[in-house]
Amino acid sequence: GQNIDQPTEMTATEGAIVQINCTYQTSGFNGLFWYQQHAGEAPTFLSYNVLDGLEEKGRFSSFLSRSKGYSYLLLKELQMKDSASYLCVLMDSNYQLIWGAGTKLIIKP
Amino acid sequence: DTAVSQTPKYLVTQMGNDKSIKCEQNLGHDTMYWYKQDSKKFLKIMFSYNNKELIINETVPNRFSPKSPDKAHLNLHINSLELGDSAVYFCASSQEGDVAEQYFGPGTRLTVT
Repeated sequence: GQNIDQPTEMTATEGAIVQINCTYQTSGFNGLFWYQQHAGEAPTFLSYNVLDGLEEKGRFSSFLSRSKGYSYLLLKELQMKDSASYLCVLMDSNYQLIWGAGTKLIIKP
Repeated sequence: DTAVSQTPKYLVTQMGNDKSIKCEQNLGHDTMYWYKQDSKKFLKIMFSYNNKELIINETVPNRFSPKSPDKAHLNLHINSLELGDSAVYFCASSQEGDVAEQYFGPGTRLTVT
């Protein structure tokens, strides 16, 4: 079966850097995604990794290590609007998305 | 110019009733999805559908049924509502073959009393 683990909640300071970790177990793998979800709103796509390494997109970067079953989302120059839940999402061998419960990120001034 | 829209945004109803949630996308996508987000914030896929295939999550009760009048719409019908059906339901769409980047509707908060 599949399993996704990420911290329930994290706190960071405006202007700082935060890393949100995600570990997973799966028998089949076709990629890992990160989505952002503000409270009461729909998830929005942030990033997609299928090969090992770092993908950078502006202030956000995502890293994947398939051998370790590990990914992280790195957010730089944090802004108050970055306060949201960040969902680690696994694509299994059937191309179905398995969603983690998300990490609630709280940004303080 | 909303990409994926859902109606209603809030739905309060009593146990045993039958209700529908509508979803429309104007992105020209081929595939649409319904998700249920429970109180613990897990997003669980219920259905994925394109003009060729309906894939049903086998854990979804058959009281739930998707209906697609055309490629731009995928409505969710729920019969004999139960208390445990209370959740936020999200519709999403993607290009066929690009299940990674899904565009989500604003969600429908269903409360069953």
